[in-house]
Amino acid sequence: DTGVSQNPRHKITKRGQNVTFRCDPISEHNRLYWYRQTLGQGPEFLTYFQNEAQLEKSRLLSDRFSAERPKGSFSTLEIQRTEQGDSAMYLCASSLPGGDYGYTFGSGTRLTVV
Amino acid sequence: QKEVEQNSGPLSVPEGAIASLNCTYSDRGSQSFFWYRQYSGKSPELIMSIYSNGDKEDGRFTAQLNKASQYVSLLIRDSQPSDSATYLCAVNRPGGSYIPTFGRGTSLIVHP
Repeated sequence: DTGVSQNPRHKITKRGQNVTFRCDPISEHNRLYWYRQTLGQGPEFLTYFQNEAQLEKSRLLSDRFSAERPKGSFSTLEIQRTEQGDSAMYLCASSLPGGDYGYTFGSGTRLTVV
Repeated sequence: QKEVEQNSGPLSVPEGAIASLNCTYSDRGSQSFFWYRQYSGKSPELIMSIYSNGDKEDGRFTAQLNKASQYVSLLIRDSQPSDSATYLCAVNRPGGSYIPTFGRGTSLIVHP
């Protein structure tokens, strides 16, 4: 196991199209997070899973965004009807259960909406 | 007021100097604090965590926490050009949700 894996690394899409990203966390990590980062800003929280349960979703997150984590393994983040403002780096992170140990990030998926 | 505040910089220091990076947070109940390093075009990498008031040292890095002042800092001793990156402060919300809030990061430039 080599860490958190995200696919694709880059995605260019036309405005109005739907996109889906995948995250494979470290196998023993039961917590999984999605963040979004734009240039010059820190990562912004989107949503959080513990095992297969989605425990929190950012109030700032549009209904066009949805995330799943079937069977508590990999997770997908879907953006419907993409807008230019969705262009960003989408980061997935995972962490061990049982405490505050910090988070391991994947390499991210860079989305460009044209 | 932002939940986690950092000076965006850039902070420029000469090679071999001590770089001091600062972070303040607004939620007095926060218990867990992290520093991440992010190279340009890469994802954040955890370098330090701190949970108790005082100092925590790991190699050339020292994290300092003062909960009364709601202040976290990171010192980098003997700074190297390879330390040039953006340093992100992250603070977990209180209450056991384990969801970190990130500052915007401070850009550090170490010049030879």
